[in-house]
Amino acid sequence: NAGVTQTPKFQVLKTGQSMTLQCAQDMNHNSMYWYRQDPGMGLRLIYYSASEGTTDKGEVPNGYNVSRLNKREFSLRLESAAPSQTSVYFCASRADPRGAYNEQFFGPGTRLTVL
Amino acid sequence: EDQVTQSPEALRLQEGESSSLNCSYTVSGLRGLFWYRQDPGKGPEFLFTLYSAGEEKEKERLKATLTKKESFLHITAPKPEDSATYLCAVEAAGNKLTFGGGTRVLVKP
Repeated sequence: NAGVTQTPKFQVLKTGQSMTLQCAQDMNHNSMYWYRQDPGMGLRLIYYSASEGTTDKGEVPNGYNVSRLNKREFSLRLESAAPSQTSVYFCASRADPRGAYNEQFFGPGTRLTVL
Repeated sequence: EDQVTQSPEALRLQEGESSSLNCSYTVSGLRGLFWYRQDPGKGPEFLFTLYSAGEEKEKERLKATLTKKESFLHITAPKPEDSATYLCAVEAAGNKLTFGGGTRVLVKP
């Protein structure tokens, strides 16, 4: 099992450009999440999908959109990138939102710089 | 609003020097408290889940404990390979985690 995979690993954008970050999991998990991690601020939830066909906003959703393409894939789109979106982006998945306290599994991250 | 505060922000230890990391939280209806380890340039790796006050879990040199207001991660006789950032997160309702800022641990040989 590859677990949670993310592409690309690194990306540099210019202000105003758009891009989509891809995430896939092969663990048959129901829930998937997108976080951003900035120095000194820990991980902050952008959007999540409790199950296939549903998406919800997290703590910092402005400037982002998501698509739960199928059970395996959850993408994050920046329509018009801004320097404030320079960050490391992590995707995570979890077996069952209704289950008892199961952990989230994280991908290796995408390091995004917006100039 | 759920809040998680970790202290200290950074910790330098000599190999073999035991210490504890603190995670204080404010949440309505704790469903679980999670500890993760994160190495530089990598995603967080799950360590423990604690569900109720008084619970303890151990893994090698790490031991996590939970009270009604905070959790501790004790590192006993650390080795250089224990150097990492340790993250604490809480879950209340809604299938979402709230993370603290993390504690960077450096263990020198």
